[in-house]
Amino acid sequence: QAGLTQPPSVSKGLRQTATLTCTGNSNNVGDQGAAWLQQHQGHPPKLLSDRNNNRPSGISERVSASRSGNTASLTITGLQPDDEADYYCSAWDSSLSAVVFGGGTKLTVL
Amino acid sequence: EVQLVESGGGLVQPGRSLRLSCEASGFTYDDYAMHWVRQAPGKGLEWVSGISWNSARRGYADSVKGRFTISRDNAKNSLYLQMNGLSAEDTALYYCAKNAGSYELHYFYGLDVWGQGTAVTVSS
Repeated sequence: QAGLTQPPSVSKGLRQTATLTCTGNSNNVGDQGAAWLQQHQGHPPKLLSDRNNNRPSGISERVSASRSGNTASLTITGLQPDDEADYYCSAWDSSLSAVVFGGGTKLTVL
Repeated sequence: EVQLVESGGGLVQPGRSLRLSCEASGFTYDDYAMHWVRQAPGKGLEWVSGISWNSARRGYADSVKGRFTISRDNAKNSLYLQMNGLSAEDTALYYCAKNAGSYELHYFYGLDVWGQGTAVTVSS
């Protein structure tokens, strides 16, 4: 099953801003939007933003999500050491009748 | 406290079967669709299967279609994954996860509650 496309890695400096991208098509991201997850090594994923770009309770205001066409983006401002993690996008694919994930982006905070 | 607890993983020989379970607590279980997601060692997340609140709609990844069966028992707040014909490619940590904000499988808002996972190793 075709998944969503994410860059494998992004590196940014402390207190800088990182923007992660997730590209799909009109059957998934372009249709219903994408949700974003953060995963630290050895831990289960945590939802950062739902498909409507809403942050669950407890998620920092430094995190925001958006969508333009078939591409979703996650922006994290004022990067902190704890932001270093793997980030995954996910969406429902109406043509596959399945959830699809991106391959994940490893964010390194320098 | 909202919680999902998986069980049933282990070491199994190729071609054999295994049944995973996930017990939910802290939320109204039958208000939400539920999913299984797996992660092979050192790899990314892979959606395995999902089920709507009333079991009317179920979905599977192509990689497990015809071999895995998802089910739920709302009276027991439990989710299951019956895995048959296992192969080495099924070796992974299997997570149970809750659909955020929707009881229907195809209204996917994201996965907002995750268990700690149960490890499945397929090897002879």
